[in-house]
Amino acid sequence: QVQLRESGPGLVKPSQTLSLTCVVSGGSISGGGYYWSWIRQQPGKGLEWIGYINYSGTTSYNPSLKSRLTISLDTFKIHISLRSATAADTAIYYCARVDVDSRDVPIAFDTWGQGTRVTVSS
Amino acid sequence: EIVLTQSPGTLSLSPGESATLSCRATQSVRLTYLAWYQQKPGQAPRLLIYGSSTRAAGIPARFGGGGSGTDFTLTISRLEPEDFAVYYCQQCDSSPCTFGQGTKLEI
Repeated sequence: QVQLRESGPGLVKPSQTLSLTCVVSGGSISGGGYYWSWIRQQPGKGLEWIGYINYSGTTSYNPSLKSRLTISLDTFKIHISLRSATAADTAIYYCARVDVDSRDVPIAFDTWGQGTRVTVSS
Repeated sequence: EIVLTQSPGTLSLSPGESATLSCRATQSVRLTYLAWYQQKPGQAPRLLIYGSSTRAAGIPARFGGGGSGTDFTLTISRLEPEDFAVYYCQQCDSSPCTFGQGTKLEI
């Protein structure tokens, strides 16, 4: 059974780059049928989709973050970089596996990591 | 972007009762791309329902999803103590994927 685990600095200074990694175990990133996504939850708030990447490296980003965002992957890891961080980026960041249909359209986030808390503050 | 509005914001019920949670979209969402999640305090969300009405692996039969177009529902029959949590609907029919703001189911 695939498991996801996020890691990265818990504290980032304003204007710096927020960088996190998600390690995938129990399954392969490169196999087809799934994409890999980042989702965040600001304190006391709901869920916000950040973006996803597929096994060939094709990405789709939330327009609200697109100008600052890069998602990449290698053999067993998915990376996120969010440039010019502000206090509004303070959140729990989740990595999730995305089930896709036969046309490679995302259906649902079927497996989640435990999340990693990031605070943007000087 | 498709905005999902969930109602009610908070639902107060007792174990053994049934719950009906609503999710309304600003545009039509195809059934395949509507999902529901449960989140308990301090935990990651868990997929309950995908394709509007298909239960995810390991989800008890008391959880059911329905609806079409712009109106979807999650029903939970015979509430168990562990069902009290926050529930989110989500769509990926149109990019960006969006979530509702959540319904808190409390005792």
